This record gives sequence, structure tokens and C-alpha cells, in this order.
Amino acid sequence: TQLLEQSPQFLSIQEGENLTVYCNSSSVFSSLQWYRQEPGEGPVLLVTVVTGGEVKKLKRLTFQFGDARKDSSLHITAAQPGDTGLYLCAIKEETSGSRLTFGEGTQLTVNP
Amino acid sequence: DSGVTQTPKHLITATGQRVTLRCSPRSGDLSVYWYQQSLDQGLQFLIQYYNGEERAKGNILERFSAQQFPDLHSELNLSSLELGDSALYFCASSVQGAYNEQFFGPGTRLTVL
Repeated sequence: TQLLEQSPQFLSIQEGENLTVYCNSSSVFSSLQWYRQEPGEGPVLLVTVVTGGEVKKLKRLTFQFGDARKDSSLHITAAQPGDTGLYLCAIKEETSGSRLTFGEGTQLTVNP
Repeated sequence: DSGVTQTPKHLITATGQRVTLRCSPRSGDLSVYWYQQSLDQGLQFLIQYYNGEERAKGNILERFSAQQFPDLHSELNLSSLELGDSALYFCASSVQGAYNEQFFGPGTRLTVL
């Protein structure tokens, strides 16, 4: 059983469309991170959300942490081809050397 | 540029061989993490070092080992390589802070033939 479930697994949309991807768990977390990974590159940290209900914006990307701190969403407005990539959510496991556990990711393709 | 460097970028070798992957963390980061990413497995945590000492172990095979040196760079040693070890190997570093935000290197693509 995955600690973090991301959905959808794959998403292919046209430029200009809006989209939302999700990261869910049955556990409560103190914080959650979102990363984007482009083909052949390492993941890049986008944002860390900490407070239940928190909303953070990064240009056209809006991140929300659920009120109960068990889920998070990433909404992209007017997607562009440059948004193409693998979007990963991650949580810090307090009991294992503070390592991060990653979800399987959502592979987003934005077609021009 | 994350500030984390990894060498080599690409590595092609044969089954049964041994290779060493190298990572230099961001300046000031004491923690180094190694991950394996294959098409069917996602990003899998292998091992973490903090200031030269092993801190956490994940799904790391006994054929694999790692160490972190006094200058904080780290090496991942893979031995008795099998076809299934072909993958991207990433190193990440972090400040051991509240959220443990990690900064990833560009990765080493290992191909075992």
C-alpha cells in the first residue's frame, strides 16, 4: 500500500486548459512538498505546505493543503507546454531519519 | 542549477561489474540521500547519510553500499550488477531542517547490458 496516492497517473491536455492533480493519504502529515521533474533531470522543489487549509501560489500554479492535512492538490491555470513533466508529492517521515517518501507522480503532458 | 553535482552523467557497463557513482551536495548541506528511479518503480529511497554517518536505509540491496566522506561528498557503490539495476540514480542534499526540503542532482543514468 502506497503511503501517498497521486491521481491521475497520466494527464494529457491542450495548451490553455486548466487542470488539477491530487495527492492523498490516510495519514496526517506535518508538511507536504511538491516537486516537478522534467525528463532526464532531477526533481525540483516547487513548494512546501505546512498548515491545514493553506493555499500557496506560484505564478499559474496553486497548491492547497487539505484542512485535515491528509491530502493536497495542485491546480495549474492556462497550462503551457513548459509545464510538461512529472509532478511528485512527498512527505517527511519523522521516524526514519527524516527521509522523504514520494508518491508515484502524475505525468503531465501539455500539447501545443 | 540545484548546486548538487553528480558524476558520471551516463554509465554503460556489463552484468557482474561494479560501478561507483559520485555526488557532491550543496555547500553547507550535511545530509545526502540516494534514490533509484526506474520506469516501473518510481522514485525509490535507497539510503541517507548525515555528516558522515548512515541515518536511514530504504530499499537498498545488499549488493549496493554507500558512504559519505569528511568533505561531505558521497559515493554509491553498485556491485554484481544485474540487468534490472539499469535506472536513473539521483543524489539529493538538504539542510536537516523542519521540512527536509531536498535539492536533487542531475542524476546518473546507469545502463547494464
